[in-house]
Amino acid sequence: EPEVTQTPSHQVTQMGQEVILRCVPISNHLYFYWYRQILGQKVEFLVSFYNNEISEKSEIFDDQFSVERPDGSNFTLKIRSTKLEDSAMYFCASSPGGTDTQYFGPGTRLTVL
Amino acid sequence: QQQVKQSPQSLIVQKGGISIINCAYENTAFDYFPWYQQFPGKGPALLIAIRPDVSEKKEGRFTISFNKSAKQFSLHIMDSQPGDSATYFCAARGTGRRALTFGSGTRLQVQP
Repeated sequence: EPEVTQTPSHQVTQMGQEVILRCVPISNHLYFYWYRQILGQKVEFLVSFYNNEISEKSEIFDDQFSVERPDGSNFTLKIRSTKLEDSAMYFCASSPGGTDTQYFGPGTRLTVL
Repeated sequence: QQQVKQSPQSLIVQKGGISIINCAYENTAFDYFPWYQQFPGKGPALLIAIRPDVSEKKEGRFTISFNKSAKQFSLHIMDSQPGDSATYFCAARGTGRRALTFGSGTRLQVQP
């Protein structure tokens, strides 16, 4: 069964550094998402991406964040200058057209020191 | 207005019992209500979902009950098994939107 994959599984970075989290959505899916989950808290929506542009974003997704689909398979989330409060599990998700279901990847744990 | 409130925060059920998790929302523009199951170290996985035009949906041991007038929905797990031990999140999505708004999660422990 196809799955969303994410790399790395754990990323440790220093405050102020740039990080890029990578995701490979399920092939032929059209919608792509990033969510985050701070330890012990609920999952929060960051951004959705469709047809090579952002279709929706939350208040969390400020100018420090950006997303890109550099080729036909990868979907990335970049945080330009990480803050301590960016420490969280970041989940990528994708969904095909014509359905509501979002399929989540296993997540990347980002630790900002 | 965009919040989804979930209770209880944690739940312990004996094997074979019924697990019930409740969620409430305020935004009447929500039109899709999924439940996600999350095991430690894994991403959330869709368990079952409902739209507001029906009051109940059942898939195997899992049932969603939906009360549109009360703006509440709940997940019932019948014949709960130790393998059901996980964190469960309710969620909701606004009409015409893609973003899911998640509840705070319920950690379910099914004791053998």
